[in-house]
Amino acid sequence: GENVEQHPSTLSVQEGDSAVIKCTYSDSASNYFPWYKQELGKGPQLIIDIRSNVGEKKDQRIAVTLNKTAKHFSLHITETQPEDSAVYFCAASYASGGSYIPTFGRGTSLIVHP
Amino acid sequence: DGGITQSPKYLFRKEGQNVTLSCEQNLNHDAMYWYRQDPGQGLRLIYYSQIVNDFQKGDIAEGYSVSREKKESFPLTVTSAQKNPTAFYLCASSRPATNEKLFFGSGTQLSVL
Repeated sequence: GENVEQHPSTLSVQEGDSAVIKCTYSDSASNYFPWYKQELGKGPQLIIDIRSNVGEKKDQRIAVTLNKTAKHFSLHITETQPEDSAVYFCAASYASGGSYIPTFGRGTSLIVHP
Repeated sequence: DGGITQSPKYLFRKEGQNVTLSCEQNLNHDAMYWYRQDPGQGLRLIYYSQIVNDFQKGDIAEGYSVSREKKESFPLTVTSAQKNPTAFYLCASSRPATNEKLFFGSGTQLSVL
């Protein structure tokens, strides 16, 4: 099955700095790569996703890059703000029997210091 | 408001007791999922269901059971066979035919007395 590794487990930055979270996956069949943000005591929410036919996608201060050959993808957050503090999960999935069953990384706790 | 609702928010289980976690969605989604979250472990799949009256085991199904009698509901029972049930449980739903995005509930924290 799919295996997703995520690094770092904890990331501490100053407000205004950039933050980068990296993930690798093992199954070349995976073709959908979402990122979820989880605030304390809440369920995760999708913040950005990318498909295997695209190398980069941006949405305001966040961007995701994908290198299919190396089987790794990254989340980039620029101009970080205290409200970006949360746990971020990457995932990899592919269609199987009409469903996408994502495999999640272990999460990165991002702390943005004012 | 459309969404996915989990209840209760906190639940306590006594030794040898079965407990049931509720998950309801009004998004008209076909697929529903249960994940277990432990500190530093990420999200691990317990069970998922693609349609009513059908469900599949995930990576850590032992000690859990589910049912899917209605499209809107996917309750999870933590049985006494689950020896380490303390965790944060997340329910999610999706409409995979059109969108792979998962919508999560706000979770249930289960603790053992």
